[in-house]
Amino acid sequence: KAGVTQTPRYLIKTRGQQVTLSCSPISGHRSVSWYQQTPGQGLQFLFEYFSETQRNKGNFPGRFSGRQFSNSRSEMNVSTLELGDSALYLCASSLGWDSYEQYFGPGTRLTVT
Amino acid sequence: AQSVTQPDIHITVSEGASLELRCNYSYGATPYLFWYVQSPGQGLQLLLKYFSGDTLVQGIKGFEAEFKRSQSSFNLRKPSVHWSDAAEYFCAVGVADGATNKLIFGTGTLLAVQP
Repeated sequence: KAGVTQTPRYLIKTRGQQVTLSCSPISGHRSVSWYQQTPGQGLQFLFEYFSETQRNKGNFPGRFSGRQFSNSRSEMNVSTLELGDSALYLCASSLGWDSYEQYFGPGTRLTVT
Repeated sequence: AQSVTQPDIHITVSEGASLELRCNYSYGATPYLFWYVQSPGQGLQLLLKYFSGDTLVQGIKGFEAEFKRSQSSFNLRKPSVHWSDAAEYFCAVGVADGATNKLIFGTGTLLAVQP
């Protein structure tokens, strides 16, 4: 079974721009979570989607948003990029909203200049 | 509040030596506990998990962890470290949060392996 895939793997953007990251979960997994990883803050939960609905959201500004499609693929969007948004963005999939066991993709490394 | 503490930021061990990485959690309910490993520039790989039952759990790559409720700990161990084990290790606790469940991660322990 293929693992979680994320595209693109690397991205360089300029302050003020917006960016969209994509995540394809493991086949059969219906829940997708997003995390931001930075050296200073560690791994922080962004949000989780299940059945195209956002079920939970972390403490991030409204510039961070996401969505999930009927095939469980998910995208996250960051608008009006700031330097502090530079991070590794990790996507994780799990079977359902009530599943704790998450499997992570390789991440998208976003650099904001 | 729920939290996970990994007191060792950086550990160096010699190849072939034993390893123990510490993890303490704070959570009022029955914890679901995980250890993940992250190689440079990569995502997180699940090493092992504890949900219930036997408090000593076996994982991949020869790792094991022991859940000790009285100490709120879930330490990761390996009897003989290989150079390929050099990576960052994260402990996590699964918590029920509103409409869903999520993972709360510790700050990680960076493991270096000396030849």
